[in-house]
Amino acid sequence: GQQVMQIPQYQHVQEGEDFTTYCNSSTTLSNIQWYKQRPGGHPVFLIQLVKSGEVKKQKRLTFQFGEAKKNSSLHITATQTTDVGTYFCAGCASNYQLIWGAGTKLIIKP
Amino acid sequence: DAGVTQSPTHLIKTRGQQVTLRCSPKSGHDTVSWYQQALGQGPQFIFQYYEEEERQRGNFPDRFSGHQFPNYSSELNVNALLLGDSALYLCASSLGLITGELFFGEGSRLTVL
Repeated sequence: GQQVMQIPQYQHVQEGEDFTTYCNSSTTLSNIQWYKQRPGGHPVFLIQLVKSGEVKKQKRLTFQFGEAKKNSSLHITATQTTDVGTYFCAGCASNYQLIWGAGTKLIIKP
Repeated sequence: DAGVTQSPTHLIKTRGQQVTLRCSPKSGHDTVSWYQQALGQGPQFIFQYYEEEERQRGNFPDRFSGHQFPNYSSELNVNALLLGDSALYLCASSLGLITGELFFGEGSRLTVL
């Protein structure tokens, strides 16, 4: 079946360092969404990418959608403690069903 | 503007019992999706309801069933509970069938003993 692989599972960074998470789909996606889930919370929508090669920025967050619409990345510049949480990608398959990655947990080292 | 509300927030059941979870979508939304999230895992899609019908279903057994009411609220029913059903059950609402932004509720934490 269709799968979305997300790596890494965890990333430990010092505050101020950058963070990146990657998603790869086994099939071409119609769009990809990114969500953030704080510890003990629920997923919160960050962004949706639709076009091949699309790049979108939200302050320190940069989202990319690959040319083949099979991969995507989220990059956070100069992480802050408020960035802590798990970041999920969710790819929209041809049947409009969202396929979720397993998430990347961002941990800020003390 | 009320967001997505779910009830109950926590519940404990024993194996073999049945459970019903409830969800009211965000105002103006007509589509409800249910997800199961085990600890440390990503959300797993259970099913989606639109116009009171199940439109999409993930890889979950028939023990998982649902319903959507005319006011767009929804229920998730799980029969013959197993220990492995212990998880956070998330309801997400959206507008229409074309997949767009999902708004999630706080979830219902189910523990099966």
